Amino acid sequence: AQSVAQPEDQVNVAEGNPLTVKCTYSVSGNPYLFWYVQYPNRGLQFLLKYITGDNLVKGSYGFEAEFNKSQTSFHLKKPSALVSDSALYFCAVRDRDTGGFKTIFGAGTRLFVKA
Amino acid sequence: KAGVTQTPRYLIKTRGQQVTLSCSPISGHRSVSWYQQTPGQGLQFLFEYFSETQRNKGNFPGRFSGRQFSNSRSEMNVSTLELGDSALYLCASSLAAGGPIDTQYFGPGTRLTVL
Repeated sequence: AQSVAQPEDQVNVAEGNPLTVKCTYSVSGNPYLFWYVQYPNRGLQFLLKYITGDNLVKGSYGFEAEFNKSQTSFHLKKPSALVSDSALYFCAVRDRDTGGFKTIFGAGTRLFVKA
Repeated sequence: KAGVTQTPRYLIKTRGQQVTLSCSPISGHRSVSWYQQTPGQGLQFLFEYFSETQRNKGNFPGRFSGRQFSNSRSEMNVSTLELGDSALYLCASSLAAGGPIDTQYFGPGTRLTVL
């Protein structure tokens, strides 16, 4: 079965430093991968997705993610973190199910950016 | 363009009662999915609707049901509420027919508390 793993419950980084939030996946076919961010008392906001093509995907708010097929990873990155980036980040994969597709989410990684 | 709206935002019920949550997708979006978010289980897929038809269903008991109307608005119903049903219920809409590359746009959620 398809699955997504986010190995870190929490990531701490100083403002201005680069940040990485890790994600690994397991799929039987082509991977369709997504990153979402959730701020307190809010729904999920779409950041970026990988469907095919370039391994480096650029998304909203300066975030990017690198798809690595050999390592089955899709890590989220940002060159310079902001305090306002502090939030809960979810990696997700679209999985074909009996009737169509569904989204499987990782457990989430809480990012703290310290000023 | 207005985003996904969910009503009500907060709800308090007692065990044994039933509840109906509403979701209005982004204009033009025809696919609506529902998710349950809890601290222990994370984000779990409930069901997906497209053109008034349930296309996919997660592993939830029959107490959880939903429907979609001709204007793409969707409702989900939980009957005989249990304490464990306390959660944030998120609705997401997407443009197309629930394919693998669809980007889902989430509403702010309905926070259900069961006492």
